[in-house]
Amino acid sequence: DIQMTQSPSSLSASVGNRVTITCRASQTIENYLNWYQQKSGKAPKLLIYGASRLQSGVPSRFSGSGSGTDFTLIISSLHPEDFATYHCQQSFSVPYTFGQGTKLEIK
Amino acid sequence: EVQLVESGGVVVQPGGSLRLSCAASGFTFDDYTMNWVRQAPGKGLEWVSHITWDGNTYYADSVKGRFTISRDNSKNSLYLQMNSLRTEDTALYYCVKDTSVTPFNWFDPWGQGTLVTVSS
Repeated sequence: DIQMTQSPSSLSASVGNRVTITCRASQTIENYLNWYQQKSGKAPKLLIYGASRLQSGVPSRFSGSGSGTDFTLIISSLHPEDFATYHCQQSFSVPYTFGQGTKLEIK
Repeated sequence: EVQLVESGGVVVQPGGSLRLSCAASGFTFDDYTMNWVRQAPGKGLEWVSHITWDGNTYYADSVKGRFTISRDNSKNSLYLQMNSLRTEDTALYYCVKDTSVTPFNWFDPWGQGTLVTVSS
C-alpha cells in the first residue's frame, strides 16, 4: 500500500498569512493527488484534484503543486473560514490512502 | 443536487454485525463507483471499500473478509455489511461518490456520515 505522510500535523497561523502544507507519498503517484478540507463536525470537501486542478467554486487563494512523491497545498492569504483540517489522498492505486491530516488553527 | 444519506449506525458489541445503507439521489447512480470511507473519533480518514458501476469490489486490508460492500442500482442504494466487528471499527462511516475527469478521480460529494460504535 502507498503511505501518505503530511506535515505538519498541526499549524497555527493568523488571518492574512500564507500557509504551506506538504504531503509525501511512499512511492511515485505521478500527479494523482487530491486535497480535501474538513471543518469541525462536517464531511470533507474537495479542494484540489490531480495535484494542481482547483475544484469548481474553490477560491483561487488555494493552490496545489507537485508530482511524483512530493506535493504542496498553499493558501496564499488565510481567511477566517479556512481554519480547518486538510487531508491529502492518493488516487493512483487501490487502496486510496489518505495522509493523517493537518489541523490549521488560529494563532 | 447530488445527495448521499447514510443510515444504520448504532452501538454494537464486539463480534456483532451491522448493515449500513446509503441512499443516493441527484445523479445517475449506476454510472458511478461508490465508496465507504471512515473516520475514527479524532483521527484521520481511512478508505474502507469501493464498488464499481459494474459490481467489482475492493477492500482495505483492515476489513477484508469481514465487510462486504454491495449496491442495488434499482433502489439507488449502497450498502456495507459489517461482520465480526472490533472496537477499532468504531468510526463515522461516510458514503462517498467517485467522480472522475479522465485520467483523474476523486471523492465528491460525501454524505453526512453514520456513527458506528463497537463497545461492550
